[in-house]
Formats: sequence, C-alpha cells, structure tokens
Amino acid sequence: KNEVEQSPQNLTAQEGEFITINCSYSVGISALHWLQQHPGGGIVSLFMLSSGKKKHGRLIATINIQEKHSSLHITASHPRDSAVYICAVEDYGGSQGNLIFGKGTKLSVKP
Amino acid sequence: NAGVTQTPKFRILKIGQSMTLQCAQDMNHNYMYWYRQDPGMGLKLIYYSVGAGITDKGEVPNGYNVSRSTTEDFPLRLELAAPSQTSVYFCASRSGSYYGYTFGSGTRLTVV
Repeated sequence: KNEVEQSPQNLTAQEGEFITINCSYSVGISALHWLQQHPGGGIVSLFMLSSGKKKHGRLIATINIQEKHSSLHITASHPRDSAVYICAVEDYGGSQGNLIFGKGTKLSVKP
Repeated sequence: NAGVTQTPKFRILKIGQSMTLQCAQDMNHNYMYWYRQDPGMGLKLIYYSVGAGITDKGEVPNGYNVSRSTTEDFPLRLELAAPSQTSVYFCASRSGSYYGYTFGSGTRLTVV
C-alpha cells in the first residue's frame, strides 16, 4: 500500500467547474505539500500545510490531520489549470527533506 | 532571480558512460535535493544536502554521487550509466524546514 494515495488519478472537467482532488496518507507528518507539474514538465510549489486551510487565488487547500486527509480545490476552473497535481508529505520521523510523493492527479479542463 | 537552474535539459548517454547533472540556485537556500521521476511513479529522493559540505543519501542513491562544496551548487554524478537510470531528474531547494520547495525545470536522461 502506498503511503500517499491520490484520487482521482485522472480528471476531466469543463471550464468553470469546481474541482476537488483528494490526498490520503498513512504516516505521521510534519507538513503536506501540493505541487503542480505543467505539461512541459516543470514543477511549481502551490501550498505547504501543517493544519487548517490556505487560499491563493482560485486555489484552496485544506488538511485534516486527525483523518490524515487533504484536499485541493480549484474554483472556476480554466484550461490553463490543466496539469498534474501532486500531493507530497514530509514524514515526521523521516530524514530531513524526504518528501513522500503521491503519483499525481492529471487534470484536463476543456473549454 | 533565476531560482533553481538545471543543465542540461536533455541528454542521451550510452551504457557505461558517466556524466554530471548540474544544479545551481541563487536564493541562498541551505537545503538542496535531487529527485528522479519515473513514468507513472511518484518522485523519489536520490540525495540531499542541508548545507555546504553536508550530504546524505535518500531513498534511491545507488549509482549516483553528489558533492556540495558551495551553498549555490549541488551537482549529481552518474558513474557507469545503466538503462535503469533513464528518468527525469529534478533538483530542488528550500530555505529550511517548514518552507516550500523551489524546483528546477528538470533533466530528461536516456541511457541506451
């Protein structure tokens, strides 16, 4: 069983739809990261969370430490949001900087 | 600021050849990392460094070596390349624990 599970693996949406991507993890963590990987391959850090909720523009990330679950929401989705979204956790007992990555959710937003 | 710069972007190696993947950051970050990304898999940590002169192994270090002589540079050395090292390699840095990561644009390496 993977330590970080994302769902869904693939997601197709129409422009304007509200999107939710889920991440569940099985280890104790010190922080959770949401990353965006563009079709060209580059990776951008979106959020780092250790509790609660963060918002940046149309993106919202939440985390429930007790349930070991995080969600990434995209409001009013746009074709430029098409990318792979990756959840990664910092294992509380792990070596410094050893992020455990999910396999990613591939999002395609159609105009 | 350039952020994290990786070179080259693409490279084809023959089995048994060696090469160095370069990574440089201009943000004065202490922590630097090398990851590899295989198709359909999550990124895996190869090596990391928490400061100049300090390096440590990650999850998949076999076949690789690193050095950290300056804060800015963290090169990854492949000795005796093997087909299993065909992957996309990402360098990343951050200021310290509890900070976000900055990633380089990646190096796509093919070993034939």
